[in-house]
Amino acid sequence: GDSVTQMEGPVTLSEEAFLTINCTYTATGYPSLFWYVQYPGEGLQLLLKATKADDKGSNKGFEATYRKETTSFHLEKGSVQVSDSAVYFCALSRNKLVFGAGTILRVKS
Amino acid sequence: DAGVTQSPTHLIKTRGQQVTLRCSPISGHKSVSWYQQVLGQGPQFIFQYYEKEERGRGNFPDRFSARQFPNYSSELNVNALLLGDSALYLCASSLVQGPQPQHFGDGTRLSIL
Repeated sequence: GDSVTQMEGPVTLSEEAFLTINCTYTATGYPSLFWYVQYPGEGLQLLLKATKADDKGSNKGFEATYRKETTSFHLEKGSVQVSDSAVYFCALSRNKLVFGAGTILRVKS
Repeated sequence: DAGVTQSPTHLIKTRGQQVTLRCSPISGHKSVSWYQQVLGQGPQFIFQYYEKEERGRGNFPDRFSARQFPNYSSELNVNALLLGDSALYLCASSLVQGPQPQHFGDGTRLSIL
């Protein structure tokens, strides 16, 4: 069945550092890909999405490119802030959402 | 505009009891999905409803059931609660069925004693 694998955390960075969170997927067909973010005590917020190969999703300085050849959708940000500290989930969807286990990001000032 | 709203926010039950969780989707959204998020893990799909019909079911026992009402709100019912049912239950809505971005509520935290 469909599945998503994310790099394990926690990832701890200093403010203004470069962020990469790796995500790979296994799926039949061509799913849509998403990154969601979850702040403590809250539900999930959609961060960005891509619906076909080579699409780049971007939002709030975060980017991810749908790479069909490597079945990957890595999340990147050039300069993280303390306020980016949260749990990040990679997900795919052909109908229902299938999530990875999540990656905790901690940004120190 | 109001987002997805869920009630109650927190709930404490004992083993063997039954619970009903409620969800109101974003206005205009016709699809509602339910997910279970155990602490430290990603959400797991339970059900999807679209136009009041069940359109998908995850790998959960028959103790879990749901329904969608004519106003597109939804309820998730869990019978014969087990300790392992302790989790954050998330409701998500989208305009239509399919690989759409889903918008999540803040969830109901269910604790089983």
